[in-house]
Amino acid sequence: AQKVTQAQTEISVVEKEDVTLDCVYETRDTTYYLFWYKQPPSGELVFLIRRNSFDEQNEISGRYSWNFQKSTSSFNFTITASQVVDSAVYFCALSEAIGDDKIIFGKGTRLHILP
Amino acid sequence: NAGVMQNPRHLVRRRGQEARLRCSPMKGHSHVYWYRQLPEEGLKFMVYLQKENIIDESGMPKERFSAEFPKEGPSILRIQQVVRGDSAAYFCASSPPRFLAGVYEQFFGPGTRLTVL
Repeated sequence: AQKVTQAQTEISVVEKEDVTLDCVYETRDTTYYLFWYKQPPSGELVFLIRRNSFDEQNEISGRYSWNFQKSTSSFNFTITASQVVDSAVYFCALSEAIGDDKIIFGKGTRLHILP
Repeated sequence: NAGVMQNPRHLVRRRGQEARLRCSPMKGHSHVYWYRQLPEEGLKFMVYLQKENIIDESGMPKERFSAEFPKEGPSILRIQQVVRGDSAAYFCASSPPRFLAGVYEQFFGPGTRLTVL
């Protein structure tokens, strides 16, 4: 069965600090996708990244970076020099690459960036 | 190219009433997914539809919930005789046919927030 675990329910950091959000996943598939979404207080879901299971290269996009480690089934997300606007709930998610495409979400990590 | 549209954005119903949530997929998308987000929870898959077909409804509650995606018009998620526990945000996502996309992706709508009084 597929499962996504985000052990950190809530994190608070002071602005400009770096913060890492952890994500551990379980799947029996060899081909799958991993995602991160941001849900700001306004409630919509903002897509951040999709990663194919065959691509273990780390990715950097501005202040955001992702560390994909198949050996530990983890897909962690780091925000560098955090800003107040980064305050949101962040969801890690998993989907089979072949199949009915449903996305399995973690329970989310609520991130507070304090001014 | 407009994104996934959902309406209404907010819906208030009294216990026992019916709720109808609409989702218009992106142009050219023939696959629709519905997810439910209970308060303080992650999104949970409910149902996956293609035009006129339900492909996977493994996440749908057995009673009172139904979904359709007709040949013409939006996808509808229908909740009959709503109860307080149905209060949640309901998100719709759409994706293009697999053969048109080298990598599939689901595009999410803004959600409908249902409140049952």
